[in-house]
Amino acid sequence: AQSVTQLGSHVSVSEGALVLLRCNYSSSVPPYLFWYVQYPNQGLQLLLKYTTGATLVKGINGFEAEFKKSETSFHLTKPSAHMSDAAEYFCAVSPPRRTDKLIFGTGTRLQVFP
Amino acid sequence: DAGVTQSPTHLIKTRGQHVTLRCSPISGHKSVSWYQQVLGQGPQFIFQYYEKEERGRGNFPDRFSARQFPNYSSELNVNALLLGDSALYLCASSWGIFMNTEAFFGQGTRLTVV
Repeated sequence: AQSVTQLGSHVSVSEGALVLLRCNYSSSVPPYLFWYVQYPNQGLQLLLKYTTGATLVKGINGFEAEFKKSETSFHLTKPSAHMSDAAEYFCAVSPPRRTDKLIFGTGTRLQVFP
Repeated sequence: DAGVTQSPTHLIKTRGQHVTLRCSPISGHKSVSWYQQVLGQGPQFIFQYYEKEERGRGNFPDRFSARQFPNYSSELNVNALLLGDSALYLCASSWGIFMNTEAFFGQGTRLTVV
């Protein structure tokens, strides 16, 4: 069965520091991969997605992620954290043979300290 | 442009009752999906509807049902509510059926079962 693992339920960084949120998936065939952000009391907003093509994907708000097939990873990074980045981040996959649903990880809460 | 709208935003129900949650997709979107997000976890797929037909179903009991109307809006119904049904219910709409078309999420309906 498809699954997504997000290492670290909480990540804390200082403003201006590098943000690294980890995501690993299980699949014998590369699925579609997504990162979503959820601010308090709000729904999910798509940050970026990988379907095919270039393995380095750039998203909104300065975030990017790199698909590494050999490591089955899709880690999210941002060079310099901003206070407004504090939120819950979810990695998700769409199974290669079922494209009607997203399978989400358990989320990583990002805290940004001044 | 209006985004995905869900109603109500909050509601409290008693065990054993029935609840109906509503979702209006973005204009032009024909696919609506429902997800359940229990506190502290990632969203779990419940249903997908496309062109008024069920196209996918997650691992939820038959107490959960849904439908899509000719205007592409959707209802999620839950019968015989249990305490464990307390969650944020998210609706997502997309233009197409496949997950490589971006899914836009509403702000959700917070259901509390007491």
